[in-house]
Amino acid sequence: AQTIHQWPVAEIKAVGSPLSLGCTIKGKSSPNLYWYWQATGGTLQQLFYSITVGQVESVVQLNLSASRPKDDQFILSTEKLLLSHSGFYLCAWSFWGGGAETLYFGSGTRLTVL
Amino acid sequence: QQQVRQSPQSLTVWEGETAILNCSYEDSTFNYFPWYQQFPGEGPALLISISSVSDKKEDGRFTIFFNKREKKLSLHITDSQPGDSATYFCAAGGPSSFSKLVFGQGTSLSVVP
Repeated sequence: AQTIHQWPVAEIKAVGSPLSLGCTIKGKSSPNLYWYWQATGGTLQQLFYSITVGQVESVVQLNLSASRPKDDQFILSTEKLLLSHSGFYLCAWSFWGGGAETLYFGSGTRLTVL
Repeated sequence: QQQVRQSPQSLTVWEGETAILNCSYEDSTFNYFPWYQQFPGEGPALLISISSVSDKKEDGRFTIFFNKREKKLSLHITDSQPGDSATYFCAAGGPSSFSKLVFGQGTSLSVVP
């Protein structure tokens, strides 16, 4: 069975400080990986996706960057946090089958920027 | 441009009633419509999905009704239980394997005992 682990569970950071969030997928070879952002009470906004190691595509510009250093690892980072970065960050992997792509989300990281 | 719209924003039903959550979309190339259920502090989880070749999909107490002509769909939750209290997201996806799922704003459902 596939498992997805996100770390940390929560972060409280100061404006202007750096950030690094991580995600590890186990039990799935070469998964498509995604980062989503969710404002409190809001919808799910896709930030980045990656289909292979070392390749990351940006979907929206939010002064964030992502990297995929290993097949099973996806990292989200920034050198300077903004207040607007607060929210819930979700890592996901997808499975393609039956003519559709299904997303499986991790448990998320709650980020508060003060 | 908001391509997927959900209504109502929030819904309260009594235990045992049927909750009806609505969704509409604009892009006619969308052909896959999953619904995700999210509990507070957790990631969303796939609840049920339908493709555009079907007009109904049932899974236990959860049923999707799909109207392709009107670009509308609805999620019916029969015999609602307090444990169904969550936010439900309707999403829409295109025909390719790397299509970006577009999510609606969500409907917050409360089931009162």
